[in-house]
Amino acid sequence: KQEVTQIPAALSVPEGENLVLNCSFTDSAIYNLQWFRQDPGKGLTSLLLIQSSQREQTSGRLNASLDKSSGRSTLYIAASQPGDSATYLCAVREYTGGGNKLTFGTGTQLKVEL
Amino acid sequence: GAVVSQHPSRVICKSGTSVKIECRSLDFQATTMFWYRQFPKQSLMLMATSNEGSKATYEQGVEKDKFLINHASLTLSTLTVTSAHPEDSSFYICSATSGGTLSEQYFGPGTRLTVT
Repeated sequence: KQEVTQIPAALSVPEGENLVLNCSFTDSAIYNLQWFRQDPGKGLTSLLLIQSSQREQTSGRLNASLDKSSGRSTLYIAASQPGDSATYLCAVREYTGGGNKLTFGTGTQLKVEL
Repeated sequence: GAVVSQHPSRVICKSGTSVKIECRSLDFQATTMFWYRQFPKQSLMLMATSNEGSKATYEQGVEKDKFLINHASLTLSTLTVTSAHPEDSSFYICSATSGGTLSEQYFGPGTRLTVT
């Protein structure tokens, strides 16, 4: 059974700092990995999707890497801003015979302080 | 594009009653829809997967007679929580895909259910 773990569970940084969020998964037979942002009481916003054949994806101040063989992904946020404060979730997609399934990590709650 | 809506956004119901949550794909046809549940401070847990016109596939530990899922059209899926109890209070999120098994999922804004 796939298990996805995110470290740290919570993180507080001053504005302007660069930071790295970590995600690890136990079964490397994945099709892709996706990073999401969730604001309190809200749904999910997709940030980056990395296919299993890719090593990284970039969007603005965000960069996500994937090392499928070791079961790890990182999300790098450059020059953090208070508006980046949210919970960040990673999820891996696997084929389950009847279709595909996303398994979510435990999340990292980020607070960027002025 | 690729917008998924949910209704209602919040609902409070009394213990023992049933409540229906709707999930709609607004600008695409959703061949597959997923229902997730999220308890406070926890991650999303998949409850069931539904393909249009077929019976839903439930994850282990999810009671199919308690959480009724209907996916009667390519733009609408409903989740009905029957005989709700306080422990069913949670944040329910749906998502939808338009293409094959590896298509990206688009997520709805979620529904906060509180059972008193």
